[in-house]
Amino acid sequence: GEDVEQSLFLSVREGDSSVINCTYTDSSSTYLYWYKQEPGAGLQLLTYIFSNMDMKQDQRLTVLLNKKDKHLSLRIADTQTGDSAIYFCAVYTGGFKTIFGAGTRLFVKA
Amino acid sequence: KAGVTQTPRYLIKTRGQQVTLSCSPISGHRSVSWYQQTPGQGLQFLFEYFSETQRNKGNFPGRFSGRQFSNSRSEMNVSTLELGDSALYLCASSLTTSGSSTDTQYFGPGTRLTVL
Repeated sequence: GEDVEQSLFLSVREGDSSVINCTYTDSSSTYLYWYKQEPGAGLQLLTYIFSNMDMKQDQRLTVLLNKKDKHLSLRIADTQTGDSAIYFCAVYTGGFKTIFGAGTRLFVKA
Repeated sequence: KAGVTQTPRYLIKTRGQQVTLSCSPISGHRSVSWYQQTPGQGLQFLFEYFSETQRNKGNFPGRFSGRQFSNSRSEMNVSTLELGDSALYLCASSLTTSGSSTDTQYFGPGTRLTVL
């Protein structure tokens, strides 16, 4: 069935780049998303990529998609303490349903 | 424009009781999706509604049900509560479908349900 996997934790130093990885199983995934969740809040859409794209850049965020390996990554340049949050990878495969990963908790050390 | 609102924000119930959670989407949004978030499982899709019709349902028992009203507001109900139902329940709204690039899902803050 459909599955999205992410590592659970990532720790980086302030000013370094963070790379959060995600793998998915459904090759018919059309849209792939990254969401951010801060404590006590819902999910905020950060960026998305369509399946026919390899890369998308949006300010400090870079999304890379390797469709052959079904691998998606989110790179955050110049990571700040305010970037500490849980990051969710999500894929839409049709049928009005989006599948989410378990989330990667990013810790940023000052 | 007001965001997605969910009420109540916190609930404490006991096993065997039932609960109803409410979600008001962003004005003009017609699609509402519900998710269950737990530390071990991440976000699990419950169901999606559009124009009062359920278009998809996740792998949850029949104790979990929902509905959508003509004003797009949605409710979900959980009957015969179990300890494992303790979770954060998130609602998300979008203009039409729940996944295209132009129909971003906007999430509410969630309702935290604790079952004792």
